[in-house]
Amino acid sequence: GDSVTQMEGPVTLSEEAFLTINCTYTATGYPSLFWYVQYPGEGLQLLLKATKADDKGSNKGFEATYRKETTSFHLEKGSVQVSDSAVYFCALSEVWEETSGSRLTFGEGTQLTVNP
Amino acid sequence: GAGVSQSPSNKVTEKGKDVELRCDPISGHTALYWYRQSLGQGLEFLIYFQGNSAPDKSGLPSDRFSAERTGGSVSTLTIQRTQQEDSAVYLCASSSRPGGNQPQHFGDGTRLSIL
Repeated sequence: GDSVTQMEGPVTLSEEAFLTINCTYTATGYPSLFWYVQYPGEGLQLLLKATKADDKGSNKGFEATYRKETTSFHLEKGSVQVSDSAVYFCALSEVWEETSGSRLTFGEGTQLTVNP
Repeated sequence: GAGVSQSPSNKVTEKGKDVELRCDPISGHTALYWYRQSLGQGLEFLIYFQGNSAPDKSGLPSDRFSAERTGGSVSTLTIQRTQQEDSAVYLCASSSRPGGNQPQHFGDGTRLSIL
């Protein structure tokens, strides 16, 4: 079955440091890939997505590139801020056919803390 | 409203009682999903609705769990004879149309605590 593996956390960085959170996946088809973020006390928010190989998703300074050859979707940001402190989830959904709904399969989540 | 709305935000109940959790999706979104977030299991899919029908209910953990959706809008997740292992945050999400590449928009969740 489908699965998503994220780097183990928690991750603690100083403000303006470079961030990488690794994500690899296993899927039987050609999934879409997502990063969701959960700020303290809030629900999940979509951060970025990529729907096919070599696509790059980007938002709020975060980027991730869909790498089919390495089955990876690593999240990066060049300079983190204190306000980026949150839990980050990598997720995939299979695209069986356009008219089918598709469950999200999530990684374990990575807690990021950014210190001033 | 502008986003997915869930109620109640918190629910504390005694073991053995029934509970109902409500989800009001984004207006016009035809696809609706329920997930569960717990410490030991992470984020797990429960059920998917397209309109009022549920093509995929394979994630429901037992027959104590059921869900319905009426009018293609509001959905209710019901847990009968609650157990302590049901304690978790229950999340609802909706997307504008079905399809695996459609992003899902999440509500803030219902935190369920079983005493």
